[in-house]
Amino acid sequence: TQLLEQSPQFLSIQEGENLTVYCNSSSVFSSLQWYRQEPGEGPVLLVTVVTGGEVKKLKRLTFQFGDARKDSSLHITAAQPGDTGLYLCAGAPAGGTSYGKLTFGQGTILTVHP
Amino acid sequence: EPEVTQTPSHQVTQMGQEVILRCVPISNHLYFYWYRQILGQKVEFLVSFYNNEISEKSEIFDDQFSVERPDGSNFTLKIRSTKLEDSAMYFCASGRAEETQYFGPGTRLLVL
Repeated sequence: TQLLEQSPQFLSIQEGENLTVYCNSSSVFSSLQWYRQEPGEGPVLLVTVVTGGEVKKLKRLTFQFGDARKDSSLHITAAQPGDTGLYLCAGAPAGGTSYGKLTFGQGTILTVHP
Repeated sequence: EPEVTQTPSHQVTQMGQEVILRCVPISNHLYFYWYRQILGQKVEFLVSFYNNEISEKSEIFDDQFSVERPDGSNFTLKIRSTKLEDSAMYFCASGRAEETQYFGPGTRLLVL
């Protein structure tokens, strides 16, 4: 069974601060996706990383996939109140015959105070 | 921008009743999925569907569950005899490739 552990579970910061959310596993993933989920809504895809060591930037958000494809991080620069929400990582298993079955982390609840 | 849509947004049913949750995936996508999220818990994989058949299913997806793509656009999840523990948000997702999945807004199912 593949597990993804996200840390921290809760993050409360002031506007303008930087933060990093981590997603770790002992398993190898073929790809890893980051989502943002608002209460009562579906996860919204932010990015997919597929290559070990890959770094992707989306405005103030930087996503990194670990070299061994077992971990990932999301870094937000100069956080804004609009960044408040639940951030989820989800991994697709490497090898085998799993057709895109995603394993989700438990999420990081980010609160950015003005 | 195309989106995955789901109906109904909310469904309340009595234990033992059958429910059908409907999804319209993004039109050029080939891979379809159902996930569920019990309140306060992780999003959990239920089933994947490709080329008109189930590709993989989780332990949760027992004989009470079935999926269908009846007309080339809709993708449905049927729960034959609902149990209290089936209460959850059910998300449909679709993708062009296996890795990238786009989720719908969900159906909140409440079994009484």
